[in-house]
Amino acid sequence: GNSVTQMEGPVTLSEEAFLTINCTYTATGYPSLFWYVQYPGEGLQLLLKATKADDKGSNKGFEATYRKETTSFHLEKGSVQVSDSAVYFCALGGSYQLTFGKGTKLSVIP
Amino acid sequence: EAGVTQFPSHSVIEKGQTVTLRCDPISGHDNLYWYRRVMGKEIKFLLHFVKESKQDESGMPNNRFLAERTGGTYSTLKVQPAELEDSGVYFCASSQAGTRVDTQYFGPGTRLTVL
Repeated sequence: GNSVTQMEGPVTLSEEAFLTINCTYTATGYPSLFWYVQYPGEGLQLLLKATKADDKGSNKGFEATYRKETTSFHLEKGSVQVSDSAVYFCALGGSYQLTFGKGTKLSVIP
Repeated sequence: EAGVTQFPSHSVIEKGQTVTLRCDPISGHDNLYWYRRVMGKEIKFLLHFVKESKQDESGMPNNRFLAERTGGTYSTLKVQPAELEDSGVYFCASSQAGTRVDTQYFGPGTRLTVL
């Protein structure tokens, strides 16, 4: 079956540091890949997505590239801000249901 | 455009009681999903509606959980009787097309605590 493995946190970074959150997946067929973010006290929001191999999703300075050869979809940002503090979830879209990783809590300190 | 809304935001009940969670999807979205996150674990799929029909309820944990979507609009998820292990955050999501590439829009979740 489908599964997602993402690096477990918590991750604490200083403002303007480089961020990488690793995500790898196991899936049959050709899934879509998503990153969702949950800010404190809020619901899940779609951050970015990629629907086929070599696609790059990007939003708010975050990027992730769909790598079929390494079954990965790592999230990166060049310079994090305090406002990026949140929980980040990698997810895989099979037919319609999403399969999530456990989430990575990111704290950015000034 | 209003997003997905869920009610209540928090619910604290005792073991053996009944609780009903409500989800209002984005207007025009035929596809509605329920997910649950138990403390420290992954967000897990529970079930999928297309309009008023249950397309897939393979993720429902047991027959104490009953989901309905009358008229293909809002949905309710009833837990009866609640057990301690039902505690967690219940998320509702909706989408237009229900395909693998379709974006699912999530509500803020209902945090259920069973004492």
